[in-house]
Amino acid sequence: GESVGLHLPTLSVQEGDNSIINCAYSNSASDYFIWYKQESGKGPQFIIDIRSNMDKRQGQRVTVLLNKTVKHLSLQIAATQPGDSAVYFCAEIGLYNAGNMLTFGGGTRLMVKP
Amino acid sequence: DVKVTQSSRYLVKRTGEKVFLECVQDMDHENMFWYRQDPGLGLRLIYFSYDVKMKEKGDIPEGYSVSREKKERFSLILESASTNQTSMYLCASSNRFSSAFFGQGTRLTVV
Repeated sequence: GESVGLHLPTLSVQEGDNSIINCAYSNSASDYFIWYKQESGKGPQFIIDIRSNMDKRQGQRVTVLLNKTVKHLSLQIAATQPGDSAVYFCAEIGLYNAGNMLTFGGGTRLMVKP
Repeated sequence: DVKVTQSSRYLVKRTGEKVFLECVQDMDHENMFWYRQDPGLGLRLIYFSYDVKMKEKGDIPEGYSVSREKKERFSLILESASTNQTSMYLCASSNRFSSAFFGQGTRLTVV
């Protein structure tokens, strides 16, 4: 079936460096792509999203890039901080019957070294 | 601020009990979802609902049922709790063509 997946299960970066987390998706009909951050024991926290008709979207220290040609999504975090350490999930929203289905990838753990 | 609220952060129930997990959203979203999250298995969809009284099975519906009598509330029911249902349960809501937001999670332990 349709799926959203991640290339790397763990990413270790030095504090102050930029981080890039990647995601591949397979449903070319998805409307929205979302990145979530999840800290231990908490629910996923919305970070940033991007509509399928966009290539790039920027937030505070984060940028999401969407490459529909190769069905690839990435999250860039500038000047990574210790507080960015968490598991990051990509997700896609696509039409399913009369609603929309939210499908998740497996997650990437970001570890920030001081 | 968007708000998805799950009724409990932690629950401990006995095997065989009927368990209700409640989720309320204040964003007038049509879609609501229940997931469970286990180490190494990521987020797995149990059920979702795209309208009042409408429901769709997700990937792992066995042993669960749901109820959506009002738009803002989506309940997950464990008819007869078992130890393999010990997990973190996450509720989310979304509108068509918009992002989804999560509650804080309920960690359920079945003993």
